[in-house]
Amino acid sequence: KNQVEQSPQSLIILEGKNCTLQCNYTVSPFSNLRWYKQDTGRGPVSLTIMTFSENTKSNGRYTATLDADTKQSSLHITASQLSDSASYICVVSARTGGSYIPTFGRGTSLIVHP
Amino acid sequence: DGGITQSPKYLFRKEGQNVTLSCEQNLNHDAMYWYRQDPGQGLRLIYYSQIVNDFQKGDIAEGYSVSREKKESFPLTVTSAQKNPTAFYLCASSIDDIRGYEQYFGPGTRLTVT
Repeated sequence: KNQVEQSPQSLIILEGKNCTLQCNYTVSPFSNLRWYKQDTGRGPVSLTIMTFSENTKSNGRYTATLDADTKQSSLHITASQLSDSASYICVVSARTGGSYIPTFGRGTSLIVHP
Repeated sequence: DGGITQSPKYLFRKEGQNVTLSCEQNLNHDAMYWYRQDPGQGLRLIYYSQIVNDFQKGDIAEGYSVSREKKESFPLTVTSAQKNPTAFYLCASSIDDIRGYEQYFGPGTRLTVT
């Protein structure tokens, strides 16, 4: 069964600090991995998408890494801001025939304090 | 302004009543999806449609129904057969490209059934 596990479940940091969120997956056959940011009560918004051959992708202060051998990904947030407070969701997709089947992690809840 | 709209944002119903959630997109995407999100859980796929007049059950389709008569619209009906309908419902759409599809999410509808 395809699974995506995220850690930690929740994280509290001070404004200006860096943090790293983890994602481990068992999804096959692997197609791509995405990180989403979801503000409370809103729909998720894509931060990065990586395919098998990509091991680093940046989007502003967000940097995602992918190790396809160990099936792990991380999302590093640099110089955190209050607006970074949100849930961060790791999504791994498998391609089966003509369809992409996404498996969602439960998310990491990040709170940034002033 | 391109995007996905869901309406209403909040919906209240009495137990035993069917209710239909709206999802519209003007992104010209072929595929559309419905997810359910419960506290502390990852998004779970209810139904998806890759083309007009065709749709497939997801992991938790029981108690739900959909239609896809137009490319832009993918309404979800929560029937009285759904045992725990109170949840946050998210609609998404996607276009398939060579790097794998990326889903764009609507703002969500929070359904409360009492």
